[in-house]
Formats: sequence, C-alpha cells, structure tokens
Amino acid sequence: KQEVTQIPAALSVPEGENLVLNCSFTDSAIYNLQWFRQDPGKGLTSLLLIQSSQREQTSGRLNASLDKSSGRSTLYIAASQPGDSATYLCAVDNEKLTFGTGTRLTIIP
Amino acid sequence: GAVVSQHPSRVICKSGTSVKIECRSLDFQATTMFWYRQFPKQSLMLMATSNEGSKATYEQGVEKDKFLINHASLTLSTLTVTSAHPEDSSFYICSARAGTGAHEQFFGPGTRLTVL
Repeated sequence: KQEVTQIPAALSVPEGENLVLNCSFTDSAIYNLQWFRQDPGKGLTSLLLIQSSQREQTSGRLNASLDKSSGRSTLYIAASQPGDSATYLCAVDNEKLTFGTGTRLTIIP
Repeated sequence: GAVVSQHPSRVICKSGTSVKIECRSLDFQATTMFWYRQFPKQSLMLMATSNEGSKATYEQGVEKDKFLINHASLTLSTLTVTSAHPEDSSFYICSARAGTGAHEQFFGPGTRLTVL
C-alpha cells in the first residue's frame, strides 16, 4: 500500500526567502507525481506534474524534482511571497492517487 | 485546460436526508471519475473510483450503500450521500481522467457538506 509523507507539516518563512518542501513515498512504481496547493476551504490547484520518466518540472518560481528510486520529491519555491501562503499537497499516481499529509506554508510579510 | 465542475458548492441538510453531488467534466470526456473526502486539517482520502457505465469500486471502509455513485455518461458522475448524519459532514472533491492510458486527474472545486 502506497504511503506518502510530507515534511515539515508546517513552515513559516519571511517573505523573499527561498524554501523547499519535501515529499516521500514508499512504492516507486508510479506513473507520475503531482504537486497541488490548497487555500483554506477551497479545492485543489494543480501546480506541477512530473511524469515518472522525468527528473524535474519548472513553472515560474516553482521547481519540482523527482527521484523515483529513492521515493522522494521536492518542491522549491523561489523568492517567496505572502500569496504563496497555502497548504501544499503532493500526490503519487500508481493507478490511483495517494495524497500526502500536506505542508501548511505561511509567508510572513 | 481541462475543467471539472461540481454542484452544489455548499450544502446544509438535516440529519437523515439524502444529498446528491454532481461532478461534470466540461470540455473532455471522462472515462474514469474519482470521489475524495477531506476532513478538516486532513488530506484527501479516495472514496471510490467510477468508470462510465459500470459499478463503482469502493475503497476499504467506505460503505457503498451509503455513498451511492452513478457514472451514467462520459461527462457526469454523481455521489449521493444517503441518510446523512453529522459525521458525514466533510469536503467532497471529485476528479476526472480523460481516458485509458491518461493518468493526469483534473479536480473539481469541491462541495462542502454540513449535516445538522
């Protein structure tokens, strides 16, 4: 059974800093890994999707990496802004999506 | 991009009533749709997978007679919470996948259910 863990559970950083969110998974036989953000009381916004054959994906200030063999992914956010405050979820797809526990990020103005 | 809608976005009902939530893929045909539940401060948990024209596959611990899923067309799946109770209060989110071989899921905006 796939298990997905995200560390840390919560993170507060001053505006402008770069930061890294971590995601680990137990079963490396995946199709892809996806990072989402979720604002309080809202649905999911897809940020980046990395196919199993890829090592990383970039979108603007976001960069996600995937190391399938070690069961790890990171989401790097550059030059953080208060608008980045949200809960970030990673999800691993091996026929069905298994979500991580989430990291609640707060950017301090 | 692929768009998935859910209706209603928010519903409040009395204990014992049934509530139907609709999930629609607006600009693509979804052979597979998924229903998730999210309790406060927790992550999403998959409830069931539905394929168009066939019975849904429920995850362990999810009562199929309580959470009725119908995927009658390639653009519509419905989740009916029967005889709802306060412990069913949650955020319900659906997602849709375009076809066999496609693995990306597109998510709806969610439905907040409150059972009094």
